[in-house]
Amino acid sequence: GQSLEQPSEVTAVEGAIVQINCTYQTSGFYGLSWYQQHDGGAPTFLSYNALDGLEETGRFSSFLSRSDSYGYLLLQELQMKDSASYFCAVNQGGKLIFGQGTELSVKP
Amino acid sequence: GAVVSQHPSRVICKSGTSVKIECRSLDFQATTMFWYRQFPKQSLMLMATSNEGSKATYEQGVEKDKFLINHASLTLSTLTVTSAHPEDSSFYICSARRQGMVDEQYFGPGTRLTVT
Repeated sequence: GQSLEQPSEVTAVEGAIVQINCTYQTSGFYGLSWYQQHDGGAPTFLSYNALDGLEETGRFSSFLSRSDSYGYLLLQELQMKDSASYFCAVNQGGKLIFGQGTELSVKP
Repeated sequence: GAVVSQHPSRVICKSGTSVKIECRSLDFQATTMFWYRQFPKQSLMLMATSNEGSKATYEQGVEKDKFLINHASLTLSTLTVTSAHPEDSSFYICSARRQGMVDEQYFGPGTRLTVT
């Protein structure tokens, strides 16, 4: 079977740093993606890791360790607008399998 | 670039009727589109992969006769929910993979279906 595990919810304050972890067990793996989704909206692409290591895009960074079947999304300098659900997704040759999502609440 | 639209954004229909949802890639060609369903506070569940010019590939547990998918051109895929029931009420989201690209999908804004 296939499964992705990520925490169901995380709370942090404005300006802080938060890390959302994702572990996966899947058959067929091309890479790990991260998506952000605000309530009632569509998922928006944040980052993608095909190889081990850290990818940085502005305030967001994503890390992958293929040997550990583990990745994380790091959000820095948190802002209120970052309150949303964050999903990791395994790319299986173009097909995305999503984790259950982590609801991030940013408090003032 | 890489904009995907869906129509309608919201639809309410009576039990037993059919509803068609359109997904269009506006500024690129998509040989592959995907249809997802999302219940409140839950993850996106892949329903099917839609390939231009061929039959869709359905995920396990998804009834292909109930959720009809047609990918008639490189920019349009449609999902028809046939004989809808209240339990089909959900948020349906499509995504499109840009031709030649493996690792990025562009999502439509979603369609909120309510079956009464």
